[in-house]
Order: sequence, then C-alpha cells, then structure tokens
Amino acid sequence: EAGVAQSPRYKIIEKRQSVAFWCNPISGHATLYWYQQILGQGPKLLIQFQNNGVVDDSQLPKDRFSAERLKGVDSTLKIQPAKLEDSAVYLCASSLATRKNEQFFGPGTRLTVL
Amino acid sequence: AQKITQTQPGMFVQEKEAVTLDCTYDTSDQSYGLFWYKQPSSGEMIFLIYQGSYDEQNATEGRYSLNFQKARKSANLVISASQLGDSAMYFCAMREGLRGSARQLTFGSGTQLTVLP
Repeated sequence: EAGVAQSPRYKIIEKRQSVAFWCNPISGHATLYWYQQILGQGPKLLIQFQNNGVVDDSQLPKDRFSAERLKGVDSTLKIQPAKLEDSAVYLCASSLATRKNEQFFGPGTRLTVL
Repeated sequence: AQKITQTQPGMFVQEKEAVTLDCTYDTSDQSYGLFWYKQPSSGEMIFLIYQGSYDEQNATEGRYSLNFQKARKSANLVISASQLGDSAMYFCAMREGLRGSARQLTFGSGTQLTVLP
C-alpha cells in the first residue's frame, strides 16, 4: 500500500514570495491534515479536511495561508506572501475513522524562507 | 496549560538497555487516545503505539510498551533492548474526543533519544 505522498521535499524562497505544497493521501482515507513543524517543536495542526470539507482551520493564518482539497483526494497548501517565520517542515497526514484513528504521515516538505 | 508535556529534551541510553520516555497530558474529556511517534533525522513521523483512555491493559507493540497511569495522566513510553536505530526524536500526542472521531493530534515538544554503542 502506497503511503502519503508529498512534493516538493525541499523548497527555498525569499520572503514575500508565494509557495505551494502538494499532498496525496493514502487511498480511501477520508481525513487529511496539514501540520506545521517548526525546528525543535512538535507538529501543530494547520487545517483538517473531511473529504473535501474543512473540519478545523482555527490555527491557519488565513491572511497568508490557504488550502484546498477539491475532489476529496489530494490537497494543496499555499502560502502567499511568505514570511521568515514560515520556515518549517510542512507535514501532511491522512487517516481512516477507525477506533484509534491512527494518522499516517508523509515525508514532509522542508521550507526555508530567506 | 500545555496539553502534552514531555519534560526530557534529551535522553541517552546504552545499547541493549531499556529506557523510559516521559509524557503527561491534560484533558477534561473522558474519551481520548494517546499516541507515540518516532521521527528519525530523515523527518518522517512513524507511528509506534496507541493507548485508548478506556483500554484497561497497557498497550504493547514489540519492544515498545506504554505505561498508562490514568489517575496521574501519564503515558510513558518504554523501549526495551534499545538498538542504535532507535536514536531519533520521540513525540507523545493526544487525540481528544470520541473513539473513531477524526480529530487533530496535539503533540508534545519531543524527546531526543540517543542510543550509545
């Protein structure tokens, strides 16, 4: 079974530029999550989708971050314009609605904002 | 208040010995789940073990076991017979709410484990 796919793996941009990350969850997983992991910290949820609807985006900085999951499968996270403090690893995860609701993570995209 | 607290930024253990990584949590929900993930230097998050709040027995998965003390709100990870490949960052995480509910995970700040040869 293929895991969660993310691209690109690495991205370097200058502040005020825009960037987009892509995630393809495990086939059949209805729930998709985007987390931000700043160096030295645990991941923090940015947004959660159930199929193509948003369940929780309370921690998403909506003035610069946006995300969509149009067909309920893959998802795109965008930052426009980027700030220095956006430098982090962006992790995508997906899950089934099972008893433990284990989340499976992708390899992440490491973003550096100069 | 922090929902997940990991008080050990770094731990060292000798190869083949056991090590305990501490985790305490804070929630008012009766139903919740506790997870441990391993994050090697390559960056991926690897699921290790799960404990549900209503599970009466401590969870075990191979060399990993979870010492769940509900009254103390602690969920410590025990790794037996440490191997060099166990060197990584370890995160404790909690999902609040009903079983099977697709809720976000709240992560602690992690413990960097180094296994010494």
